[in-house]
Amino acid sequence: AQTVTQSQPEMSVQEAETVTLSCTYDTSESNYYLFWYKQPPSRQMILVIRQEAYKQQNATENRFSVNFQKAAKSFSLKISDSQLGDTAMYFCASLLNDYKLSFGAGTTVTVRA
Amino acid sequence: ETGVTQSPTHLIKTRGQQVTLRCSSQSGHNTVSWYQQALGQGPQFIFQYYREEENGRGNFPPRFSGLQFPNYSSELNVNALELDDSALYLCASSLVDGANVLTFGAGSRLTVL
Repeated sequence: AQTVTQSQPEMSVQEAETVTLSCTYDTSESNYYLFWYKQPPSRQMILVIRQEAYKQQNATENRFSVNFQKAAKSFSLKISDSQLGDTAMYFCASLLNDYKLSFGAGTTVTVRA
Repeated sequence: ETGVTQSPTHLIKTRGQQVTLRCSSQSGHNTVSWYQQALGQGPQFIFQYYREEENGRGNFPPRFSGLQFPNYSSELNVNALELDDSALYLCASSLVDGANVLTFGAGSRLTVL
């Protein structure tokens, strides 16, 4: 079984500033994948960033980057230069080789103008 | 390329009724998964279909059933609706290519009265 924990229900950040969202997970598998998804009020779940557990290098996608600490089972997301359009619910998720995503409870991010 | 489309976007049913939700996968994708997202929570895996057969199931009772058609579209059927079935139902499609990237639809919001 996989358990994903997001301990921050809400985060607020000033436009152009940086915010970091935390995520921890629990799995006994050695090969797995980790994701951050964004869900704006439109409800559609949008992939933000993806990390393969066997890769030590942290994934980056433009203003989004992760800090992947495999031994600590930690997978935090950093949003740099926050924009108003980043306002959304952010979900951390883990996946084994079976396409069944396990999601955390989510963190609501509000970017203030 | 077209994304994942779901219908209907909203619907209201009464307890004990049956409902069918529909999903058209992203072009080229051969796997479809369904998730239930209760208000304020992360999505929960219901089941996945690959080549028209159920390929994995989460902790949901048998009154939750599904189909995948030759064109990779899919249906989620829920019988004997209960109040707790009120949720956003998300469909996600993917390709068995090792990338493990799911593309989500915007969901169907079901309210059970």
